[in-house]
Amino acid sequence: ETGVTQTPRHLVMGMTNKKSLKCEQHLGHNAMYWYKQSAKKPLELMFVYSLEERVENNSVPSRFSPECPNSSHLFLHLHTLQPEDSALYLCASRPGSGDTGELFFGEGSRLTVL
Amino acid sequence: RKEVEQDPGPFNVPEGATVAFNCTYSNSASQSFFWYRQDCRKEPKLLMSVYSSGNEDGRFTAQLNRASQYISLLIRDSKLSDSATYLCALDTGRRALTFGSGTRLQVQP
Repeated sequence: ETGVTQTPRHLVMGMTNKKSLKCEQHLGHNAMYWYKQSAKKPLELMFVYSLEERVENNSVPSRFSPECPNSSHLFLHLHTLQPEDSALYLCASRPGSGDTGELFFGEGSRLTVL
Repeated sequence: RKEVEQDPGPFNVPEGATVAFNCTYSNSASQSFFWYRQDCRKEPKLLMSVYSSGNEDGRFTAQLNRASQYISLLIRDSKLSDSATYLCALDTGRRALTFGSGTRLQVQP
């Protein structure tokens, strides 16, 4: 069982829908991350949260809106997405954002935008 | 130059072969380095950290060459179950890890 849990695992949405991805970590970590992985491209960092404060926003379009209500939960709210936003969205955590250690990933949410 | 570069492969090798991948990076200030394994449609999982002195875990050996700015992964006695995409990752001072696009390995019977 992974220490980082993502739901839903699969999501299909139309361009006018609003949906949210959820991530929960059970590792007691203080830093949480959203990455996007598109086919044949490297993982792209989207957002970094440290102790519920957003510390990195990697030029992500405003149709992606993150929320971190506490250090264990991270959301990615989606609205008016484009077909090119179809990808695997990976949540990750590590003890602190200033750490240089490994990232622990959830199983990902595979998003298809029609 | 990309921050992290990997040969996408695929590397097709027979069972029992030895195979090596390199990953080059551009930021000389990078402090920590990792190899992750990613199976098809799954999340990346840490394979091993890469230390300055090199490290070995069973059939896997990782090395760091700071002077030439690359890390390597050597897999000995390849198994069918080693078939996956291998991602290198490093800390580039952005509070997160930066990943290469991965090298695909296919071990054939």
